[in-house]
Formats: sequence, C-alpha cells, structure tokens
Amino acid sequence: SAVISQKPSRDICQRGTSLTIQCQVDSQVTMMFWYRQQPGQSLTLIATANQGSEATYESGFVIDKFPISRPNLTFSTLTVSNMSPEDSSIYLCSAVGVRGYGYTFGSGTRLTVV
Amino acid sequence: GQQVMQIPQYQHVQEGEDFTTYCNSSTTLSNIQWYKQRPGGHPVFLIQLVKSGEVKKQKRLTFQFGEAKKNSSLHITATQTTDVGTYFCAGPIGSGTYKYIFGTGTRLKVLA
Repeated sequence: SAVISQKPSRDICQRGTSLTIQCQVDSQVTMMFWYRQQPGQSLTLIATANQGSEATYESGFVIDKFPISRPNLTFSTLTVSNMSPEDSSIYLCSAVGVRGYGYTFGSGTRLTVV
Repeated sequence: GQQVMQIPQYQHVQEGEDFTTYCNSSTTLSNIQWYKQRPGGHPVFLIQLVKSGEVKKQKRLTFQFGEAKKNSSLHITATQTTDVGTYFCAGPIGSGTYKYIFGTGTRLKVLA
C-alpha cells in the first residue's frame, strides 16, 4: 500500500498566523482527503483534495480558512489560516490507492495555537 | 445528519480476555471499514466488509457486518497487550463515494 510522508509532525504557532501542512504519497493515488482529530476524539472530514481543481469542503469548513491544493496525483497541502486556539488539533491527510478502498493515513500534524 | 456511533467508549480488559466493540450507523451502508489507531499513532486500515451478514477473520480478530447493513462488530479473542489502541469503524458518506465518516471509536486498554 501507499506510504504518505506528512510534515511538519508538530508545530506551535502564534494566533493569527498560518501554517501549511504537506503530504507526499510515494505512489499514485485516486483520492486524497484531509481530516482533523482532536486528541482522544474521532476523525472529522475537512475536505476532499481534488487534483487540479478546487477542493470540496464538508459542512463547517470553508476554503478561506482551510485552503487546500493538490497540484498532482501524489502531493497535497492544507493551510490553516488566521489560526486561533480552537484550531489546535491533529491534522491528517489520507489517500485511497489503486486497490480502491481503505485509507492510508499520513502520520499527522499536531498543531498547537497559542 | 449521518452518524456512526460505537459502544463502549472505553474498555479495560485483562490480557487473555475477549473484547468486542459495536458500531451502529444511522443510515444503511454500502460497506464498512475498520481502523486501529495505536496511542500516538495514526489510524491503520484493517478491513472492509461489503455484503450483508458478512463475517471476516484476521487471526484473533473477527469482523461482522449486520444483515441490515447498519451495524457491525469487531471481536478480539484472547487479547494481547499489542491490541491496545482505539478501534474505529467508518462508513461511506452518501453513495458512490470514497469519503468516510468515522465512528466515535472504542479505546481498548489491556492489562497485563
């Protein structure tokens, strides 16, 4: 299965700033997604990263706050913009490979906003 | 909106005891997936079930998909300390989609 390199693994950021998280997959994948997970909680889908076009956002998430890029089949970025302490969370990218089912996840980015 | 709930939320077992987590969806699912997340780690895909009433086994793990395709279970026989983690079920959002909604999760602790 695919291997996803996600960075940074963690960061502490000042409120009002932005952080860009990168995910690189080692093989071509069909779909890529971004999730958020509060420590000890479940995963919440932020958006689908569409290759070469605008991401598709879930209810409660907007492009101005979480701009996403996916310039090719193996790379995606998520930016958390104008951060507030409420954005402190773990952000995970995921991908569906050629098998066609089952997510492979990146190792996650633990974000703390102070 | 669509919801996927799991019970129990937490389970502590003695090593060697069995463990079961139950997953219930508010909607009928075309398939259901199970993931394991070790403490400090990311979720890892375990299995996908597609057919009504399907049962699949992976060594000590037994997965079942309900007849109505709205519920599922994961049973671990003779737990080991390596089974520690949180187990999530996940169902597709809508139909014909690769987007998944994750269940609330069951955190398993195994006492040696």
